[in-house]
Amino acid sequence: DADVTQTPRNRITKTGKRIMLECSQTKGHDRMYWYRQDPGLGLRLIYYSFDVKDINKGEISDGYSVSRQAQAKFSLSLESAIPNQTALYFCATGSGTGELFFGEGSRLTVL
Amino acid sequence: AQKITQTQPGMFVQEKEAVTLDCTYDTSDQSYGLFWYKQPSSGEMIFLIYQGSYDEQNATEGRYSLNFQKARKSANLVISASQLGDSAMYFCAMREPLPNFGNEKLTFGTGTRLTIIP
Repeated sequence: DADVTQTPRNRITKTGKRIMLECSQTKGHDRMYWYRQDPGLGLRLIYYSFDVKDINKGEISDGYSVSRQAQAKFSLSLESAIPNQTALYFCATGSGTGELFFGEGSRLTVL
Repeated sequence: AQKITQTQPGMFVQEKEAVTLDCTYDTSDQSYGLFWYKQPSSGEMIFLIYQGSYDEQNATEGRYSLNFQKARKSANLVISASQLGDSAMYFCAMREPLPNFGNEKLTFGTGTRLTIIP
């Protein structure tokens, strides 16, 4: 089993729908991150969390919200999806050394 | 201002040749770290190699080495004896401190798509 699991792996939805991407990890890390990948732009940080009570905005948080339900779970929500949120989304965990451990990605298409 | 710059959007290299992927960075911190990740067509992000700013020797991991030139703020990835399986997207990333003391994030470059030609 993967150390960092993302669900769903692929999702197609329509404009205006609410979408939740879930992430769970078995590495025991406190740090969890959500990144978004777009062609030509690399990975950009949406939100990050260092424990259950700590949630922080990244560089592109508008239109997104997160919930840290437990140390091992970090969910990303799009309250009202729009087409320019079509992207590959990665959840990652970190041990504090800087290295990140990534999930397999969730490909979201908003029509 | 972009903190991690990868100037090669795409590269084509003959199999078995060595390849260098460029990465320059910008930081005023004395303590930082540089990473390279590989992303094959399947999409997952695979950690390749790490270089700390205080490491005096260039990092090496099998066929991967990091050519770290601190004064030039460059951290190029060198892949020796390239293989067809090296075809992928490669990202350079830098560890940056966050306002919360002791915490950090990774900032990524835009990536280089490497294609190995048989």
